[in-house]
Amino acid sequence: EIVMTQSPATLSVSPGERATVSCRASQSVSTNLAWYQQKPGQPPRLLIYGASTRATRIPARFSGSGSGTEFTLTISSLQSEDFAVYYCQQYDDWPLYSFGQGTKVEIK
Amino acid sequence: QMQLQESGPGLVKPSETLSLTCTVSGGSISIYYWSWIRQSPEKGLEWIGTIYYSGTTNYNPSLKSRVTISIEPSETRFSLRLSSVTAADTAVYYCAASYVSGSYREHWFHPWSQGTLVTVSS
Repeated sequence: EIVMTQSPATLSVSPGERATVSCRASQSVSTNLAWYQQKPGQPPRLLIYGASTRATRIPARFSGSGSGTEFTLTISSLQSEDFAVYYCQQYDDWPLYSFGQGTKVEIK
Repeated sequence: QMQLQESGPGLVKPSETLSLTCTVSGGSISIYYWSWIRQSPEKGLEWIGTIYYSGTTNYNPSLKSRVTISIEPSETRFSLRLSSVTAADTAVYYCAASYVSGSYREHWFHPWSQGTLVTVSS
């Protein structure tokens, strides 16, 4: 099983600043990686797939990069609605999918 | 816009079988793979298994011996059964979709259901 490790566990950022969330895979997943946003009481929401392709209606301030084992989700200028938990998911090893443990982006 | 809604008991006794159903509205059941995913503080997000409308299934090896996912295309719904549950199976359970068209298949999950908390307790 491919283990996905995210860092940091919690990220404190001021509104308007940039946030960077990292995700590392225990073995190469090429660019077969997705990112999700989850707010309290809500299901995860797809943000990015293919490591860097934004899903429909996702604002341009969200961007993804990386390949192989190292990936990054960047939020260029945090808005109040962006404070949430972010998860990465690999699908290179399908049909065995795995998620990172999550990174909480909180208001500084 | 396609929507998914789970239904089923929120409380299951240890050693019994957890049963949930996911009903799909606003979308065709034949152009998606359908998955169950659960979330707990201990394990985070955990993929349980996936089914196609043809009945083809894939399960997480860690749960395979206890999981059955079935589908009723005519009713646009699919179901999860997890047997011999313990407290470790307490989680929020989601159903989710992954689009497929011919040889093109997506492996990310969109959309998700709202989620339902299932507690295993006597």
